[in-house]
Amino acid sequence: KNQVEQSPQSLIILEGKNCTLQCNYTVSPFSNLRWYKQDTGRGPVSLTIMTFSENTKSNGRYTATLDADTKQSSLHITASQLSDSASYICVVSDRGSTLGRLYFGRGTQLTVWP
Amino acid sequence: EADIYQTPRYLVIGTGKKITLECSQTMGHDKMYWYQQDPGMELHLIHYSYGVNSTEKGDLSSESTVSRIRTEHFPLTLESARPSHTSQYLCASSETRSNTGELFFGEGSRLTVL
Repeated sequence: KNQVEQSPQSLIILEGKNCTLQCNYTVSPFSNLRWYKQDTGRGPVSLTIMTFSENTKSNGRYTATLDADTKQSSLHITASQLSDSASYICVVSDRGSTLGRLYFGRGTQLTVWP
Repeated sequence: EADIYQTPRYLVIGTGKKITLECSQTMGHDKMYWYQQDPGMELHLIHYSYGVNSTEKGDLSSESTVSRIRTEHFPLTLESARPSHTSQYLCASSETRSNTGELFFGEGSRLTVL
């Protein structure tokens, strides 16, 4: 069983609308949680990285939240644009940067329609 | 944007051919990685390197091999390609000194073996 589960698997929204993507994990110990955006046919690009002590972090129209007690994270996209169409991947690290292993979710495929 | 480059971006070859996927980064990162990604699935680590002359196998068994003769260069080689090797291959790098070990990905190499 994957230790990082994302939902929904896919999502279609209209341009200008907001949406929230979910990530639940069972990874322990926990070091940090990352959200990546991956355009079709491209490599993933980092959106946010949150450590244990951080419960929210923003990057433009993207806002990530983290509840380390319930092991849940969300990525909220505000005023969606066509360019937001991509796969959003949640990644959890179990230790510090030098030795940590990364656990990848399968991603949420977001499609923004005009 | 990250300074990590992969070539070729797309490759279609016949069974039994030898192929090398190139990966180079100009950020001076000591750590480099190769991931394999199939549609709708999570990324799987197949090889990693913590520095020159250091290479290790990842979580996913792979028939490919890697080398790290120079810090900036981390090529992946398949001696005899098979249709089961058809996949997207992503190269990434990170810096040991980073508190979070953020990964920077290349654009990927899409391999199709006929």
